[in-house]
Amino acid sequence: GEDVEQSLFLSVREGDSSVINCTYTDSSSTYLYWYKQEPGAGLQLLTYIFSNMDMKQDQRLTVLLNKKDKHLSLRIADTQTGDSAIYFCAESANSGYALNFGKGTSLLVTP
Amino acid sequence: KAGVTQTPRYLIKTRGQQVTLSCSPISGHRSVSWYQQTPGQGLQFLFEYFSETQRNKGNFPGRFSGRQFSNSRSEMNVSTLELGDSALYLCASSFRSPQLDTQYFGPGTRLTVL
Repeated sequence: GEDVEQSLFLSVREGDSSVINCTYTDSSSTYLYWYKQEPGAGLQLLTYIFSNMDMKQDQRLTVLLNKKDKHLSLRIADTQTGDSAIYFCAESANSGYALNFGKGTSLLVTP
Repeated sequence: KAGVTQTPRYLIKTRGQQVTLSCSPISGHRSVSWYQQTPGQGLQFLFEYFSETQRNKGNFPGRFSGRQFSNSRSEMNVSTLELGDSALYLCASSFRSPQLDTQYFGPGTRLTVL
C-alpha cells in the first residue's frame, strides 16, 4: 500500500517547542491521528483532526492540517522530558476499516 | 469506562506451535482491529471485525486468522509459528469503524517465537 511518511528522529531541549511532521496519502481520509507510544507500551491516542478542519488545539498540542499538500503536523509546546516517546501519524485507509501508520518519529527531550 | 484489554501481555512460544491472543474492546464498541508491530515493518494492519464479521484483512498469510464473538470480544490465532512472527500484537476498538470513529488501542501482547 501507499506510505505515510514521517521523519524518524527529533531531538529538542526541555521547554522548547517540538514539531513533528507527516505526509499522508489518502485524500479521502476522514480523520487523521497522532498516537504516542512509550517504551514497552501500546499506543495512546493523543489527538485527532477531522479532515474538514485546518487546525485543532488541545492544551499543549496543536495539530495543523494542509489538505492541499497532504501534510499534517503536531506541535508540542513547552516540551517536557516525559514527552520523550515515539509519535505515530495515522490516516484512515480507503476501505474505512483500517488505519495506515507512519513508521513513527522518535522524540528525545533533553534537560 | 475500562479501556481495551488484551491477554496475555507476554507470550513465549517455539516455532511450529500455534497461539491465540484475546482482546476485549471498550464497552459499547463493536469494531475490533488487530495490528502487528515490528521494528522493521512498523505497524501493519491484520484484520478488522464488526458484529462477528470480518470486514477487512491485511496482507498476511492464512496462518493468521481471527474471529469476533457476539459480545464483541475478539481473538486472533497464529498457526505454525515462525521466528518472524515475533512482534507486539495490538488490538484496537472503535464504536462503528476506524473511518467514522476514533480508535483506541490496548497495551498489546508481546509474542516471542524461539
